[in-house]
Amino acid sequence: GDSVTQMEGPVTLSEEAFLTINCTYTATGYPSLFWYVQYPGEGLQLLLKATKADDKGSNKGFEATYRKETTSFHLEKGSVQVSDSAVYFCALSDRLKTSYDKVIFGPGTSLSVIP
Amino acid sequence: SAVISQKPSRDICQRGTSLTIQCQVDSQVTMMFWYRQQPGQSLTLIATANQGSEATYESGFVIDKFPISRPNLTFSTLTVSNMSPEDSSIYLCSVEPGQTNTEAFFGQGTRLTVV
Repeated sequence: GDSVTQMEGPVTLSEEAFLTINCTYTATGYPSLFWYVQYPGEGLQLLLKATKADDKGSNKGFEATYRKETTSFHLEKGSVQVSDSAVYFCALSDRLKTSYDKVIFGPGTSLSVIP
Repeated sequence: SAVISQKPSRDICQRGTSLTIQCQVDSQVTMMFWYRQQPGQSLTLIATANQGSEATYESGFVIDKFPISRPNLTFSTLTVSNMSPEDSSIYLCSVEPGQTNTEAFFGQGTRLTVV
């Protein structure tokens, strides 16, 4: 079945460092891909999304490009801030598999940014 | 977009008791989803609730343990029955208000601790 794999955490970076969180997926259809963020004590928020190959999602300085050839959707940010400390989830949904968008989540990567 | 209110935000319960979690959406949606997030882990879909029909449960989850109601297009409840410490998790309500591969929106979650 469909699945999402992402790099294990926790990841600890200094402020203004470059961030990459790797994400790869397995899907037989044409999924949409998402990055969700969960700040401490809160629910999930959509960070960015891409719905087809070569699309680039971006938000709050974060970017990710839908790479069908490598089945990847890596999250990047050029300069992280302390406020970016959170857990990041890569996810996919494939409406072709069901009549609705069942979302499949990766295991999550915890990011801590230190001043 | 959709704004989701989830109650309670947290609770501490005795084993053997039951807790009902409420999810209210600010717009009418066809599908509502309930997820469980065990400590330090990713989200797992419990069931999908469609208004006017029985909920559809994922493998490993049963109606007797997690009964769900969906009385109208803006409201749903999830009950965690006969609780044990293993049920200690964050439970999240989610909706997907769009028609084609749009993102899911989440409530802030209910943090349940069973003692």
